[in-house]
Amino acid sequence: DAGVIQSPRHEVTEMGQEVTLRCKPISGHNSLFWYRQTMMRGLELLIYFNNNVPIDDSGMPEDRFSAKMPNASFSTLKIQPSEPRDSAVYFCASTHIAGGPYNEQFFGPGTRLTVL
Amino acid sequence: AQKITQTQPGMFVQEKEAVTLDCTYDTSDPSYGLFWYKQPSSGEMIFLIYQGSYDQQNATEGRYSLNFQKARKSANLVISASQLGDSAMYFCAMRERTRVYNQGGKLIFGQGTELSVKP
Repeated sequence: DAGVIQSPRHEVTEMGQEVTLRCKPISGHNSLFWYRQTMMRGLELLIYFNNNVPIDDSGMPEDRFSAKMPNASFSTLKIQPSEPRDSAVYFCASTHIAGGPYNEQFFGPGTRLTVL
Repeated sequence: AQKITQTQPGMFVQEKEAVTLDCTYDTSDPSYGLFWYKQPSSGEMIFLIYQGSYDQQNATEGRYSLNFQKARKSANLVISASQLGDSAMYFCAMRERTRVYNQGGKLIFGQGTELSVKP
């Protein structure tokens, strides 16, 4: 069974450019999370969806960040325009809602973003 | 506010010995889940073990066990018989029940402990 799939694995871009990160959750999972990992702030949630509906986007830094989940098998995180401080590893994770707080989240391999 | 604290930035352990990684948490919700993840140098996040707040017994998964002390709000990870491949960052995380039943919820992570296993 395939795990969470993220693309690209690495992205290097210049300040001001648009960046789109993609995620395919595990089939059958109906909850999807976007996390960001930096040395300064550690791992923090950006946004999560249940059944394709955004539930909590309080971690989205600012209007430059947007996320969509058009269907159960695909999500995007877009940064426009990108800035050097957006450089981080972005993880997508998925799980099933049933079970409440007790289900583990399965993480994708992450996208390492570098903004020059 | 919910919070996870890992007070050990780095730990060393001799191969084949046991090691305990500390984790304390803070929450006012009676229903929550506690998780440990491993992040090797390759960067992926690997789920290791979880403990539910209502579980009566400590969780175990192979060489991993969770020393859950609810009154002290601690959930320490114990790795027995350490192996060189255990060298990695280890994150403790908590997931709370949300206001709407069965809405799942985000993971709140600690800052991590870097474990180095010496041969």
